[in-house]
Amino acid sequence: GNSVTQMEGPVTLSEEAFLTINCTYTATGYPSLFWYVQYPGEGLQLLLKATKADDKGSNKGFEATYRKETTSFHLEKGSVQVSDSAVYFCALSDQWGSQGNLIFGKGTKLSVKP
Amino acid sequence: DTAVSQTPKYLVTQMGNDKSIKCEQNLGHDTMYWYKQDSKKFLKIMFSYNNKELIINETVPNRFSPKSPDKAHLNLHINSLELGDSAVYFCASSQVDNEQFFGPGTRLTVL
Repeated sequence: GNSVTQMEGPVTLSEEAFLTINCTYTATGYPSLFWYVQYPGEGLQLLLKATKADDKGSNKGFEATYRKETTSFHLEKGSVQVSDSAVYFCALSDQWGSQGNLIFGKGTKLSVKP
Repeated sequence: DTAVSQTPKYLVTQMGNDKSIKCEQNLGHDTMYWYKQDSKKFLKIMFSYNNKELIINETVPNRFSPKSPDKAHLNLHINSLELGDSAVYFCASSQVDNEQFFGPGTRLTVL
């Protein structure tokens, strides 16, 4: 079945460091790919998405490129801030439209130190 | 304006009790979901409703019963609560492209 694998956390970085959180997936067909972020004590928020191969999603300085050849959707940010400390979830959807289902990775906790 | 809201935010109860969590969305979405997040932050879908019809029912105990009086509401009722039900429960809704909007979560603690 479809699945998402993320790098294990926690990840601890200093402010202004470069961030990469790896995400790979297994899916049939052509899923859409997502990164969600969960700040402490809050629900999940969509960070960025990509709906087809070679698409790049970007938001708030974060980027991820849909790589079909490597089945990956790695999250990157050039310079992290303390306010980026959160849990990041990679997810895929295997159906178009509102009747699909999101499958989440296990989440990667990021802590950014000043 | 709150897009997806849940009540209560915290729920502490004894084993064996029956409790409900309510969810409402004002986004006009057709599909609503319930997720369970365990202590290790792992998220797993429990139910999904599209236009008041159940379309996903993952392998959850039948003590859990979702109820959708209309497409803006999806409530979760839990009978005979057990220790292992302690978790954070998230409601979400979506329309197109499966971008889901999440509520703030309900932290359930079963003693």
